[in-house]
This record gives sequence, C-alpha cells and structure tokens, in this order.
Amino acid sequence: DTAVSQTPKYLVTQMGNDKSIKCEQNLGHDTMYWYKQDSKKFLKIMFSYNNKELIINETVPNRFSPKSPDKAHLNLHINSLELGDSAVYFCASSQGLSKEKLFFGSGTQLSVL
Amino acid sequence: GQSLEQPSEVTAVEGAIVQINCTYQTSGFYGLSWYQQHDGGAPTFLSYNALDGLEETGRFSSFLSRSDSYGYLLLQELQMKDSASYFCAVRSSYNTDKLIFGTGTRLQVFP
Repeated sequence: DTAVSQTPKYLVTQMGNDKSIKCEQNLGHDTMYWYKQDSKKFLKIMFSYNNKELIINETVPNRFSPKSPDKAHLNLHINSLELGDSAVYFCASSQGLSKEKLFFGSGTQLSVL
Repeated sequence: GQSLEQPSEVTAVEGAIVQINCTYQTSGFYGLSWYQQHDGGAPTFLSYNALDGLEETGRFSSFLSRSDSYGYLLLQELQMKDSASYFCAVRSSYNTDKLIFGTGTRLQVFP
C-alpha cells in the first residue's frame, strides 16, 4: 500500500488555467506538506498543515491555495497558472515530533505551456 | 539568509567509499537530515543527526559537527543503485515544521 499518494503524476496545461493536485496519506501522520522542486532540483517548502490547520505559508503567491479536508488529505489548487509554476510538486507527511523524517509522495510534474 | 551548501556532483566506482559534505548557515539549528532521491523519484529519508558525532545505518553513516556547522554523509561499498541525488536538510528550531534543504549532490557510481 502506498503511504503518501498524490495525483496526477503528470500535469500539462496552458497558461492561465486552474488545476488541482490531490494528496492522501495512510500513515496516520498529523502533519502534511507541499514542497516545490524546481528544474535545478532545489526543494523548497510551500505549506504545512498540522491536523488540518495551516502552520506554514512560505511566501507563496496567493494563486496557490492548499486545502486540508481532514488530516489524511492535503490538496493544492493553483489558479491562473504561469510558466514559472512549472516544477515538480511533492506532498509529504510527518508524525509528531519527528519533523526531520518526511515521507514524500511520488511527485506531480507540472508543465505550463 | 539561510543556506546549505553541498558539492554539485561526486563520482566514484563500485565498491568505493564516498563522502558528501554539507555546510550550513541557518538562523538556528535543530538537527541535520539526509535524503536520497533517484531520478524521477521522491526524496527518501536516510538519516538524522541532532548531536555531534557519527550515526551509522548499514552502508550509510552521517556525521555532524555543530561547532563547525558541518556534516557529511558517508556511503561505503558503493553500488550502482546508489547513483542518485543526496540532500542535506536542517530544521532551524524546535517549534518549526520547516526543513531547509541543501543544494543537492548528484552521485554517479561507475562500474
């Protein structure tokens, strides 16, 4: 069973469109994250949620809106997509005080044309 | 600013030992982690050091020196499957969820 699963794996879309990425974890973890990895493989946190509450919002444009309907799910909606949004987006989770040990999903490669 | 510097690329042959260094400059420090990422894959957790010294996990070991703001990942008995990118990461304080990742080191293992 996949621990952290995100869909879709690939997303190709036009500038200006709105898209969503879904993430689910079955580990029973209390904290979930969105990370962005750019073309140079630099990995940067975007958001974190703890028990459905937004904890970190790392100066991300407000076109990005995370939503956590419950502690097992964290979705990412992106409005008015721009070329610069092209990247790999990773969902991750952690449990309790073990914030150093993240469990990542397989990533969503977003290409904005 | 906050930064974690790593060599961009390291090459080695099967069976060899390789060390990947990480120097960090962060506003605070609450531990150094290491992650492995194969091409097209997800980062996976390898190890964590909160205190100075060496932590060993099978063929991989990780070292930390807080006074030098420095750590390294040591990979022994290299195998082809170890070819991947390796990232160090720092949590800057106890009460943050945020991990700051290093620039990443691409390891290529040759036969």
